[in-house]
Amino acid sequence: GNSVTQMEGPVTLSEEAFLTINCTYTATGYPSLFWYVQYPGEGLQLLLKATKADDKGSNKGFEATYRKETTSFHLEKGSVQVSDSAVYFCALGMDSSYKLIFGSGTRLLVRP
Amino acid sequence: SQTIHQWPATLVQPVGSPLSLECTVEGTSNPNLYWYRQAAGRGLQLLFYSIGIGQISSEVPQNLSASRPQDRQFILSSKKLLLSDSGFYLCAWSVPPRLNTEAFFGQGTRLTVV
Repeated sequence: GNSVTQMEGPVTLSEEAFLTINCTYTATGYPSLFWYVQYPGEGLQLLLKATKADDKGSNKGFEATYRKETTSFHLEKGSVQVSDSAVYFCALGMDSSYKLIFGSGTRLLVRP
Repeated sequence: SQTIHQWPATLVQPVGSPLSLECTVEGTSNPNLYWYRQAAGRGLQLLFYSIGIGQISSEVPQNLSASRPQDRQFILSSKKLLLSDSGFYLCAWSVPPRLNTEAFFGQGTRLTVV
């Protein structure tokens, strides 16, 4: 079946450090891929997305590239801020399904 | 613009009591609607989804049920809550007919069963 695997957290970084959160997927067909962010006590917000291979999604300094050959969609940011502390979810959606499948989430803590 | 409302924001209920969480969407018609649960420190589990009025699909057997009495209203219910029903419940909607576009989430309801 379709699934998403994320790296275990928490990830703790100092401010201005480089961030990578790994995400790989398993899917039959050609999914769309998403990164969502959840700030403490809130719902999820879409951070970025990519709908086909080699697409790069970007938003607020975050980037992720849809890599079909490695079935990956790793999230990166060149310089994190304390305000980036949140839980990040990788997800996939299939055109043949009504369901959005989420990874287990990765908690990021950025220290001043 | 489209908005999604979910209430209440927090709820503390005794074991064995009933539950009703409500979610409404504004600014769109015939959305796909979803209920997710997030247990403490864990990922998101899809509980129910609906592609139309009265059409409910259940993802996991459990103590909960869902209903869609109106096009933009989605209700999560239980007749008798269990301790294991505690968690953070999220309602979401997406543009039909498929989910290769993003889902939009409500602010969530934190349910504590005591």
